Amino acid sequence: GQNIDQPTEMTATEGAIVQINCTYQTSGFNGLFWYQQHAGEAPTFLSYNVLDGLEEKGRFSSFLSRSKGYSYLLLKELQMKDSASYLCAAMDSNYQLIWGAGTKLIIKP
Amino acid sequence: GAVVSQHPSWVICKSGTSVKIECRSLDFQATTMFWYRQFPKQSLMLMATSNEGSKATYEQGVEKDKFLINHASLTLSTLTVTSAHPEDSSFYICSAKRPLETGELFFGEGSRLTVL
Repeated sequence: GQNIDQPTEMTATEGAIVQINCTYQTSGFNGLFWYQQHAGEAPTFLSYNVLDGLEEKGRFSSFLSRSKGYSYLLLKELQMKDSASYLCAAMDSNYQLIWGAGTKLIIKP
Repeated sequence: GAVVSQHPSWVICKSGTSVKIECRSLDFQATTMFWYRQFPKQSLMLMATSNEGSKATYEQGVEKDKFLINHASLTLSTLTVTSAHPEDSSFYICSAKRPLETGELFFGEGSRLTVL
């Protein structure tokens, strides 16, 4: 079956770095997405990886290893506003998104 | 700015009534839109894929007669929750992607439905 695993909750300190891991199993693969979702709001796009390696975009970076079925989202210089849920989603061979349950990130001063 | 707009953002209705939620793509024609439901502290659950000019494709376990989807134009899809019950109270979100692109999904603002 198709499956996405990511931690349920993580806590980090303002100004620090945090890495949110995601492993996936899909029928075929057409890319890995990360979305940010603040409570009560719709998700917003953070990144898309389809090739192995690290993609850096400001304070956020996303990494993909297709052979390992693994991705991570790296957040640097954490700010209080980064407190949110982070959703990992893999696109299968039919271009359908398989969603993880999300990782709730709590930032402490 | 927003490229997908959803309306209404909040709706409260009585049990047994029907509620319509609209999803519009603002600056592109969306042949495909997606409808999700999200319960508190849970991830998005895909309900159905809305295809312009044809019937929606519903996910397993989603009642077609209860959640009516109409994608009558290239910029508008509607979800109607018929005979709503308190257990239908949830956050409903739509999304769309630009034609011929397999990348980013653009999400609407979401609609929070409360059925009394």
